[in-house]
Amino acid sequence: KAGVTQTPRYLIKTRGQQVTLSCSPISGHRSVSWYQQTPGQGLQFLFEYFSETQRNKGNFPGRFSGRQFSNSRSEMNVSTLELGDSALYLCASSPALTGGNYGYTFGSGTRLTVV
Amino acid sequence: DAKTTQPNSMESNEEEPVHLPCNHSTISGTDYIHWYRQLPSQGPEYVIHGLTSNVNNRMASLAIAEDRKSSTLILHRATLRDAAVYYCILRPHNNAGNMLTFGGGTRLMVKP
Repeated sequence: KAGVTQTPRYLIKTRGQQVTLSCSPISGHRSVSWYQQTPGQGLQFLFEYFSETQRNKGNFPGRFSGRQFSNSRSEMNVSTLELGDSALYLCASSPALTGGNYGYTFGSGTRLTVV
Repeated sequence: DAKTTQPNSMESNEEEPVHLPCNHSTISGTDYIHWYRQLPSQGPEYVIHGLTSNVNNRMASLAIAEDRKSSTLILHRATLRDAAVYYCILRPHNNAGNMLTFGGGTRLMVKP
């Protein structure tokens, strides 16, 4: 079956602009999480959605937001881009919300460069 | 979340076994031990997870200490494609969420 699909793969934006990234989870997976990866901070949790509701949020400013649609697809939005937002943004899907007995499937990510 | 400690880097020869250690002395009774790896220019990839007993799958084996304060990921025959950063993560079973807390991981280098 198809894996987690993230679009676009690469993106270049200018400071002050906003950006929307998309994630299609594995069919049947209802949970979608987003992560930011930078060389300095490593992999950091952004937020998590299940059944169209945000269930957890990481320690990021309000410029970072997301949503999930009824088909479990998710988008994340970053407004008023800053140079420090340049990163690899990763999406992960899981069949369920609770429990540690599930593995998570990651997409290949969207590489965002802010200039 | 309980923390894990891993060596920054390890080296292995191709076709030899690799043992990647992870210490998690503050693990709680409901924490699952998960391993992921990240190859260059890719997202993390699930490798294996376990709770108390040793686990095997087609990718690797997970050996869990009897007191659960440490674990070891075993790659039985390293290949060049196994060169990656390996992350050991604790996942609470009762956590109402999928958040993964990544540490620095172990960078595995495989020599031909």
